[in-house]
Order: sequence, then structure tokens, then C-alpha cells
Amino acid sequence: GNSVTQMEGPVTLSEEAFLTINCTYTATGYPSLFWYVQYPGEGLQLLLKATKADDKGSNKGFEATYRKETTSFHLEKGSVQVSDSAVYFCALSDRSGGGADGLTFGKGTHLIIQP
Amino acid sequence: DAGVIQSPRHEVTEMGQEVTLRCKPISGHNSLFWYRQTMMRGLELLIYFNNNVPIDDSGMPEDRFSAKMPNASFSTLKIQPSEPRDSAVYFCASSFLQAQKLFFGSGTQLSVL
Repeated sequence: GNSVTQMEGPVTLSEEAFLTINCTYTATGYPSLFWYVQYPGEGLQLLLKATKADDKGSNKGFEATYRKETTSFHLEKGSVQVSDSAVYFCALSDRSGGGADGLTFGKGTHLIIQP
Repeated sequence: DAGVIQSPRHEVTEMGQEVTLRCKPISGHNSLFWYRQTMMRGLELLIYFNNNVPIDDSGMPEDRFSAKMPNASFSTLKIQPSEPRDSAVYFCASSFLQAQKLFFGSGTQLSVL
């Protein structure tokens, strides 16, 4: 079956540091890949996505590149802010159209940014 | 649009009591999902509906759990009887059928004592 593996948290960084959160996946076929973010006390919201190999998703200074050869979708940001503190979820969809009914989530990585 | 609306935000109950969680999806969305989030197991899909019809309930843990969607603007998740191990945050989410973007509510924090 499908699975998503994320690095264990919490990840604690200082403001303006470089961020990488690792994500690898196992799936048959050609899944779509996503990063969702959950701010304290809120539900998850879509941060970025990529639907085919070598695609780069980006939003709010975050980027992730769909690497089929390494089955990875690592999240990066060049300079983090305190407001980026949240839980980040990597996910995949195995539906040909990337439908939400096929989403598999990782366990989430808690990111803490210190001023 | 107000987004996905869940109620209550917090629920504290005693073991054996019935618990009902409510969800109003975004108007026009035709897929609705119920998730459970715990520290140990992460985010688990319990059940989802397309056009008010339950499609996959394989994630529902036991017969104590049931979900309904009587119309396009309302869904409930019921636990009867509740047990301490049901304590978790329960999220409702909605989307357009076959859309990639899922919209989550703010969740219901359930504590069963």
C-alpha cells in the first residue's frame, strides 16, 4: 500500500535559518504529492503540491521538488520566521486526478522557530 | 465563505456516553471526509462521502462509530458508547469531487474521561 515517511520532530531552528523537512514515499504508479501545514488550534491547509516528476511546488517561500528517482518530496525554505512554527504534513494521492479521496498523510513534523 | 465549520470545538464527556460531532462543509463541495488525529497514530481517515453517499468507511475503528450525511450541508460523526481511547482531535474536511485541495475545519478536541 501507499505510505509517507517524514522526519521525526520536533525540529527547532532559529529565525532566518534554512529549513529542510524530509519526506519520502512509497506508492504504485505516479502519485501527486502535497505539503499541508497545521497552525496551532487550526485544521490543515494546503501549502503546495506537485503532480508529476521534476515538478516544483512553491508557496509562501516554501519549495518542494518531486523526485521520482529518490521517491522524495523534501520541503525547504531559505529563511524561516517565527510565524512558520506549525506542524507540516507530507501527503500523496494515488488517484489519477489527484483526488482528495486518495490522500495518504505522513505523521507530521512539528517545527518550532525561536526568535 | 466561512470555510468548513465544526462543532463543538471542545467536548469533554464520561466513558459510556454518546458523543455527536457535527460538520458543515463548504457550500458546493461534494466530498466530505472525517479524520482523527492522535499523537501516536497521526492523521487517520475514518470515512468519506461523495455526493452524500458513504464511499469508504474502512477507517472507522469499530461499530461504536457511525457517520451520516443527510444532506449536502451537514454531516455527523457519532460515538456510542465512548471510551477513553477515543480521545483525539476529530477533523472534518471537504473538497470538490476529484479536486486535489482539501479544506479542513478547525477540529473538535474530544476528551473521554
